[in-house]
Amino acid sequence: DQQVKQNSPSLSVQEGRISILNCDYTNSMFDYFLWYKKYPAEGPTFLISISSIKDKNEDGRFTVFLNKSAKHLSLHIVPSQPGDSAVYFCAASYNNAGNMLTFGGGTRLMVKP
Amino acid sequence: DAGVTQSPTHLIKTRGQQVTLRCSPKSGHDTVSWYQQALGQGPQFIFQYYEEEERQRGNFPDRFSGHQFPNYSSELNVNALLLGDSALYLCASSLGDALPNYGYTFGSGTRLTVV
Repeated sequence: DQQVKQNSPSLSVQEGRISILNCDYTNSMFDYFLWYKKYPAEGPTFLISISSIKDKNEDGRFTVFLNKSAKHLSLHIVPSQPGDSAVYFCAASYNNAGNMLTFGGGTRLMVKP
Repeated sequence: DAGVTQSPTHLIKTRGQQVTLRCSPKSGHDTVSWYQQALGQGPQFIFQYYEEEERQRGNFPDRFSGHQFPNYSSELNVNALLLGDSALYLCASSLGDALPNYGYTFGSGTRLTVV
């Protein structure tokens, strides 16, 4: 039972345009959501997070939106840059689970110059 | 400031064998979590160690065991290897109960291939 799903395995975007990566979850106990970026041969690196008490969090070019009623979150990258090309993972946690993360399957983003 | 260090980076084992993977956490971190990432999938939580004890465990069989040493470094042991154990094993360190985004640092992983 996959509790966190990223239904698009890949996404291709032109440099300068917006990239939108989507994530759905099923466990209503999740109260904290994160996005990680992963380059080949490296571990995932933290990008941005959002608590369930918010519906939006912004950090520079990155914005995460949370729709709790739809159990859906999205990551917007504006403007997209070639260096953003990587695999992006959505992850979720809930307070009783300490800092254990449940990850989605990832979306490979390719930003074309 | 060294981040999370994992060794070895790659290894190949035969089905039925046992393997030990090692992790040194980031300086100042005291909690180590292990994740398994199969090809084309997201990381899956195996277990977490804090104060030399297993604090939390994911849905993995008892063939997967671990240990944390007084210096906070950790080992992941897998017995009776199966072909399906082939994956990238990631170690992540953090400070106590810190939320994942506060200093939850991943290593580059150990690529295990079981033949």
